[in-house]
Amino acid sequence: EAGVTQFPSHSVIEKGQTVTLRCDPISGHDNLYWYRRVMGKEIKFLLHFVKESKQDESGMPNNRFLAERTGGTYSTLKVQPAELEDSGVYFCASSQEAGRETQYFGPGTRLLVL
Amino acid sequence: AQSVTQPDIHITVSEGASLELRCNYSYGATPYLFWYVQSPGQGLQLLLKYFSGDTLVQGIKGFEAEFKRSQSSFNLRKPSVHWSDAAEYFCAVGANFGNEKLTFGTGTRLTIIP
Repeated sequence: EAGVTQFPSHSVIEKGQTVTLRCDPISGHDNLYWYRRVMGKEIKFLLHFVKESKQDESGMPNNRFLAERTGGTYSTLKVQPAELEDSGVYFCASSQEAGRETQYFGPGTRLLVL
Repeated sequence: AQSVTQPDIHITVSEGASLELRCNYSYGATPYLFWYVQSPGQGLQLLLKYFSGDTLVQGIKGFEAEFKRSQSSFNLRKPSVHWSDAAEYFCAVGANFGNEKLTFGTGTRLTIIP
């Protein structure tokens, strides 16, 4: 069974540009999470989808970030316009049933904003 | 609000030596506790988790952790480390039912010397 996949693995963009990150969860997992790790700091929660609905978006830093999950399958996270402080590693995770299920993480997308 | 503290940013141990990584959490109710490991170029892999029951939990790769409610701790241990254990280790706490985001510590980077 394929794990959580993320694309691209790396992205280098200039300040003010737009970047879209993609996450494909494990097949059949209704729950999808986005997290971010800024260099040297802790991994922080961004948001949680249950199927196509946003269950919790309390961690989204500002309105430059837009997450979608059309059809309850893959998800995209768009940053527009990107700022220097958006640099970091963006992780996606999925789980089958929220509450007592393990969150399985993808390898992350390393974003560098110059 | 829940929080996790990993007081050791970087630990170096000799191959074959024992290991203990510290984790302290703050959470008002019964926590769900996790240890994840990230090897270079890889995503986060779950080592073990504690939900309830026996306070000593066994994980993969020979790791174990002990939940101590009185100390608000969930330290990770391994009796004899291998060079392949070199990685970054993250402790995380999850809330109970209905709120599924994980709160992570800042991580402990483990270096193994021959």
